[in-house]
Amino acid sequence: GDSVTQMEGPVTLSEEAFLTINCTYTATGYPSLFWYVQYPGEGLQLLLKATKADDKGSNKGFEATYRKETTSFHLEKGSVQVSDSAVYFCAPNYGGSQGNLIFGKGTKLSVKP
Amino acid sequence: NAGVTQTPKFQVLKTGQSMTLQCAQDMNHNSMYWYRQDPGMGLRLIYYSASEGTTDKGEVPNGYNVSRLNKREFSLRLESAAPSQTSVYFCASSGRGAGTEAFFGQGTRLTVV
Repeated sequence: GDSVTQMEGPVTLSEEAFLTINCTYTATGYPSLFWYVQYPGEGLQLLLKATKADDKGSNKGFEATYRKETTSFHLEKGSVQVSDSAVYFCAPNYGGSQGNLIFGKGTKLSVKP
Repeated sequence: NAGVTQTPKFQVLKTGQSMTLQCAQDMNHNSMYWYRQDPGMGLRLIYYSASEGTTDKGEVPNGYNVSRLNKREFSLRLESAAPSQTSVYFCASSGRGAGTEAFFGQGTRLTVV
């Protein structure tokens, strides 16, 4: 079935360091791709998305590019801040009436001042 | 703009007790979901409902039942709680189509002793 593989954490970085969190998805169909973020004690919220190949989603300094040839959607940020400490989830959505809303296992990011 | 509202936020149950987690959304979404989140396991889908009047099992349905009462509301019931059901539960909703984002409630932290 459909699945997503996400880089395991936890990831600990110093403030202003470069961040990459890898995400790959299964290539059955043509999903839209999402990154969600979960701050401590909260539910998930959308960080960014891309709906077709070569699209780049961006928000709050984070970016991810839809790479169909490598079935990947890696999350990057050039300079992380303490406030970026959270859990990040990669989520392909294959659509359809079956509710194919699946998530990676999440990557916990801790940013130290 | 309430979005997705879950109640209660916290609950402690004794083994064998029953309870219902309530979820309501005000975005006129067709699809609704219940997930559980455990350390190191990411989000696992319990049940989902692609439209009013339909429900389907997800990855971990055993020990749970759901009701899609109307388009707005989707409840999750534990008939006889077990310690293995100690978890954080999230309700989510989304529109149709692969490009639509999911909206999450704040979560219910359930402890079964």
